[in-house]
Amino acid sequence: GAGVSQSPSNKVTEKGKDVELRCDPISGHTALYWYRQSLGQGLEFLIYFQGNSAPDKSGLPSDRFSAERTGGSVSTLTIQRTQQEDSAVYLCASSLGRRSEAFFGQGTRLTVV
Amino acid sequence: DQQVKQNSPSLSVQEGRISILNCDYTNSMFDYFLWYKKYPAEGPTFLISISSIKDKNEDGRFTVFLNKSAKHLSLHIVPSQPGDSAVYFCAASATGAQKLVFGQGTRLTINP
Repeated sequence: GAGVSQSPSNKVTEKGKDVELRCDPISGHTALYWYRQSLGQGLEFLIYFQGNSAPDKSGLPSDRFSAERTGGSVSTLTIQRTQQEDSAVYLCASSLGRRSEAFFGQGTRLTVV
Repeated sequence: DQQVKQNSPSLSVQEGRISILNCDYTNSMFDYFLWYKKYPAEGPTFLISISSIKDKNEDGRFTVFLNKSAKHLSLHIVPSQPGDSAVYFCAASATGAQKLVFGQGTRLTINP
């Protein structure tokens, strides 16, 4: 596709359940980011992948959060045992690398009830 | 630890006038700065960037100014148009680090 694609666009889950959020980056982009935006807040960095390098996981808020990037392309963000405070819009972005602008997907709105 | 700060949560400007959005940062290692625009229910879209070797970058109605000594950057939009109404985020990255650090955003409203 021409842009970054995220699925699902909306997800409602019960507290305690696990969820998986998917990101398809722009073809050829070696860098992939996950951010989240809670209501009324800015963009909070979660994790960054660059090529075959070890990911920068410094933004993951707890060990319930994990992410993978398979084959240097598609990425999955997994949240285990979801909590209400996990409710947010989860945004994925990709870029050609540092000093290149990141292109964002439309996000997945996660609601934990 | 908020390394990138946008101290004005909102700004209202009359159509045709200049909009000035401000951003301050604390990390002296930041050397690349970007501005993004976000409409509701959409992902942020890239507007303009600037490297620390420059103090100004212009693209059409958008100009970004960087004052390294003050650790301050600003985005000027002139003339402002109704379609510019959105939330604007500044972002920065540091040499040796990869992630983009974002500010909290400023909601710009252009009044007719």
